[in-house]
Amino acid sequence: DQQVKQNSPSLSVQEGRISILNCDYTNSMFDYFLWYKKYPAEGPTFLISISSIKDKNEDGRFTVFLNKSAKHLSLHIVPSQPGDSAVYFCAASGQTGANNLFFGTGTRLTVIP
Amino acid sequence: EPEVTQTPSHQVTQMGQEVILRCVPISNHLYFYWYRQILGQKVEFLVSFYNNEISEKSEIFDDQFSVERPDGSNFTLKIRSTKLEDSAMYFCASRIGQGAYGYTFGSGTRLTVV
Repeated sequence: DQQVKQNSPSLSVQEGRISILNCDYTNSMFDYFLWYKKYPAEGPTFLISISSIKDKNEDGRFTVFLNKSAKHLSLHIVPSQPGDSAVYFCAASGQTGANNLFFGTGTRLTVIP
Repeated sequence: EPEVTQTPSHQVTQMGQEVILRCVPISNHLYFYWYRQILGQKVEFLVSFYNNEISEKSEIFDDQFSVERPDGSNFTLKIRSTKLEDSAMYFCASRIGQGAYGYTFGSGTRLTVV
């Protein structure tokens, strides 16, 4: 049941360039989307989120874009830094009371110095 | 910054044994969750807990699993009779209120069933 998909398992980017991580979802009831960063042996760390009423949210070097008609969101990191190297998970939440998250399979970002 | 604390960080157990994974959520949070990640796979929802009862659970969360908030601070996940396929990272999470905003995850417990 792949309600949230990240089709690129890995991405390599030169330091200073833009990293673009993509995520697709199938459930039109999702109304809140989050990006998490994860290092090995650590829990997911919240990065940035976006509500379905917006199409863009920006926080420093991180920007998330949401295209509801395409059921697609992306995370842009610019400029990319070596410390950004990690696995990035996209997650989505619906309007259920518990708001449990549905995660994608993750994209491993490597930023090359 | 407030954090979700999980213990132990690594637990090794024999198949068929019971394990209890412990979590201390952020003190003013009201919703509590367990997720797991089998090696190489995505993070999967197990169960949510609110107002001292389970509010939602996934099909993974069968009769072998139970959760409890025995006091005002701890939130535990018990697996009664562990199976090899229960080997995974188990993450506790909490959030303050309605909506997905403010989800905070712990560092996880790596459970290895041998």
